[in-house]
Amino acid sequence: NAGVMQNPRHLVRRRGQEARLRCSPMKGHSHVYWYRQLPEEGLKFMVYLQKENIIDESGMPKERFSAEFPKEGPSILRIQQVVRGDSAAYFCASQGRRAGAHNNEQFFGPGTRLTVL
Amino acid sequence: AQSVTQLGSHVSVSEGALVLLRCNYSSSVPPYLFWYVQYPNQGLQLLLKYTTGATLVKGINGFEAEFKKSETSFHLTKPSAHMSDAAEYFCAVSAPVSYDKVIFGPGTSLSVIP
Repeated sequence: NAGVMQNPRHLVRRRGQEARLRCSPMKGHSHVYWYRQLPEEGLKFMVYLQKENIIDESGMPKERFSAEFPKEGPSILRIQQVVRGDSAAYFCASQGRRAGAHNNEQFFGPGTRLTVL
Repeated sequence: AQSVTQLGSHVSVSEGALVLLRCNYSSSVPPYLFWYVQYPNQGLQLLLKYTTGATLVKGINGFEAEFKKSETSFHLTKPSAHMSDAAEYFCAVSAPVSYDKVIFGPGTSLSVIP
């Protein structure tokens, strides 16, 4: 959905460098999900954040990966000391939520395609 | 735990022919089910979703899907394929719990032959 913005769209890093991926949710949305899509595979859940809180990071690799969603500004997915296996498309999705309601639609951004040389 | 399988990683149909993309799910609770489409180098767009109520769900671009609980299936169909339908299609499931982590299937690549 055009309302969710991700930047950069393409990112090239050498092994050992850091990658920072940004996601600006739709206006009024305070829930952000990050997914990773490896080549020829479906999307895999990584982490779910609300403003200033990590709710579920069960899909995040235990090392080198971190995510935040500060009170102000975009959500950041940070990958330290990147390796070739980190090459993938990283998508974020944002969601608004009505009180007491479940499963409101997630709107996906265009993704960041990370290439590690 | 939830999971999704999609039978056939690649499907080819002729323009004007029926499109049928298969999806089966596993869920310990009544699921919410989705179909997303992804065009090359783009994000995902929601085609349709089933939450509760009518089991035949109509979506955008002429697609529809039917939730069959007894078969744990949610197959996607379109009566007549267009060239513009060529894309990657993902079936997905989530559970109506406190938040909505979506579990995606591996995807089916649809090719439309002129």
